[in-house]
Amino acid sequence: EDQVTQSPEALRLQEGESSSLNCSYTVSGLRGLFWYRQDPGKGPEFLFTLYSAGEEKEKERLKATLTKKESFLHITAPKPEDSATYLCAVPNAGNMLTFGGGTRLMVKP
Amino acid sequence: KAGVTQTPRYLIKTRGQQVTLSCSPISGHRSVSWYQQTPGQGLQFLFEYFSETQRNKGNFPGRFSGRQFSNSRSEMNVSTLELGDSALYLCASSRRTGENGYTFGSGTRLTVV
Repeated sequence: EDQVTQSPEALRLQEGESSSLNCSYTVSGLRGLFWYRQDPGKGPEFLFTLYSAGEEKEKERLKATLTKKESFLHITAPKPEDSATYLCAVPNAGNMLTFGGGTRLMVKP
Repeated sequence: KAGVTQTPRYLIKTRGQQVTLSCSPISGHRSVSWYQQTPGQGLQFLFEYFSETQRNKGNFPGRFSGRQFSNSRSEMNVSTLELGDSALYLCASSRRTGENGYTFGSGTRLTVV
């Protein structure tokens, strides 16, 4: 059974204070790893897909990296509008996503 | 390009009633998945439909059911509602398999009283 664990559960940063979110996974065969951002009361918004160890993807202040056991979402010089819950997920062969519990990020001005 | 549309956005029902939620996927997307999100359990997979056939089902009781129509629109039904069914129900669509990502709708917030 696929398992995904995210840490920390919550993270408070000052504006401009860079940090990283962790997503550890255990899967029978990696078919990709997804990162999503979710704002309160809304559905998850797709950020990145990573497929193989060593792969990196960037979007504005966010950079996602992948190893054989975990993925990191690096946030560089965050702004208050980056405050959200960040979710990672892995798909199984049956097209089902297993999500981690998420990291709730709060960026204070 | 229109996103995934879920209706209604909010719903209040009484215990024992049944409810039907609707999802219209992105044009060209034939796979529709449903997820339940609660503060305690996070996001949990309900089921997935592709070309009007249920391909996968999560670990939920038979009170939860769904279907997909020929235009790829999907509905999910929950019968005999319980207080614990209160949640955000999310629909996600993808082309065939999810390798290129799943696009989620804004969800339907169901409150059972």
